Amino acid sequence: DTAVSQTPKYLVTQMGNDKSIKCEQNLGHDTMYWYKQDSKKFLKIMFSYNNKELIINETVPNRFSPKSPDKAHLNLHINSLELGDSAVYFCASSQWGGARGTEAFFGQGTRLTVV
Amino acid sequence: AQTVTQSQPEMSVQEAETVTLSCTYDTSENNYYLFWYKQPPSRQMILVIRQEAYKQQNATENRFSVNFQKAAKSFSLKISDSQLGDTAMYFCAFMFSGNQFYFGTGTSLTVIP
Repeated sequence: DTAVSQTPKYLVTQMGNDKSIKCEQNLGHDTMYWYKQDSKKFLKIMFSYNNKELIINETVPNRFSPKSPDKAHLNLHINSLELGDSAVYFCASSQWGGARGTEAFFGQGTRLTVV
Repeated sequence: AQTVTQSQPEMSVQEAETVTLSCTYDTSENNYYLFWYKQPPSRQMILVIRQEAYKQQNATENRFSVNFQKAAKSFSLKISDSQLGDTAMYFCAFMFSGNQFYFGTGTSLTVIP
């Protein structure tokens, strides 16, 4: 069973379109994240949710909107896609435990290409 | 603010040799975790090793070991007996209270046959 799964793995779309990436984890974790990995492989956190509540919202355009219907799911919706949004987007999860938390488990990534 | 620095963008090592990847971090936290993640060309992020800051003993996982120097805020990864499958991007990561993860910029390691 895949611990953190995100769909789709690849997404090619035109500028101006709206798209969503879905993420599900079956680890029972209560914290989920979205990271963006750019062409230089730099991993930047975008959002973090704990028990469906937003706890980290880094400076990202408001065209990006996360939605967490329950603890096991964290979806990412992107409006009016731009060329600069092309990147690999990773979903991850971990267990909230203060300073004694666990490592992050990652999905396989979604390569988004905006043309 | 927490920062994680990996000063070696690229490294290479001969197969079967040993290589050390550097990582330094800056934090005012006292309790935290440190990790090394590996990202092969498949792009899957794979945990290599973890270290709890409150433990003085350096973590070891088979051919992978760390040199954790808390006072110096240094967390290097040593790979012994390097194998071709070790070729990947390696990310150092720091996590503190609230499960907030910070990643370094990565080191691209190539194992040469």
